[in-house]
Amino acid sequence: DIQMTQSPSSLSASVGDRVTITCRASQGISNYLAWYQQKPGKVPKLLIYTASTLQPGVPSRFSGSGFGTDFTLTISSLQPEDVATYYCQKYNSVPLTFGGGTKVEIK
Amino acid sequence: EVQLVESGGGLVHYGGSLRLSCEASGFAFSNFAMTWVRQAPGKGLEWVSSLSGTGGSTYYADSVKGRFTISRDNSKNTLYLQMHSLRPEDTAVYYCAKVVMPGPPNWFDPWGQGTLVTVSS
Repeated sequence: DIQMTQSPSSLSASVGDRVTITCRASQGISNYLAWYQQKPGKVPKLLIYTASTLQPGVPSRFSGSGFGTDFTLTISSLQPEDVATYYCQKYNSVPLTFGGGTKVEIK
Repeated sequence: EVQLVESGGGLVHYGGSLRLSCEASGFAFSNFAMTWVRQAPGKGLEWVSSLSGTGGSTYYADSVKGRFTISRDNSKNTLYLQMHSLRPEDTAVYYCAKVVMPGPPNWFDPWGQGTLVTVSS
């Protein structure tokens, strides 16, 4: 099975900072990758699919990129409401594996 | 507005059984695959199972294969997860979610509020 590895597992950044989260697949998955945001105590929310397509309603400060095995989620200017854990998920084939998550906090 | 409401969670003993339900509204339920994802306390997300719109294709994580059965009743707009031989490591919040695109399972949106399953040893 393909493993999905996120890094870092947690980060602390200041409001306005550019934040980058990495997701690496153990084998190529083309662009079959989604990103989710889960705020504390809340339900996961879809942010991005097909690696770089922003879900309608998601702020434009979020962006995704990558293809094959290496993917990134970028928050161009971190806001207090972005405090959350972020997960990548591959869907090229089953199992539909999630990454371990990246917890983002405000410094 | 799409809504997914899970129910059926609770406390069960090791080796016991439980059936979760997810009632859907606000979309043509039978046209979409559905999925279950779980989250153990303080842990990350784990995909559990998915089911095509007709119910004809099922997919399971190795961790639940042979113990869990996913099904749906399109006349009731309801998704189910029958769980047998439950273990403490099955303790989690179980979310149902709508699979967005036709075809094989892909990305999920939206997600229900979740139902907590606790398996005691």
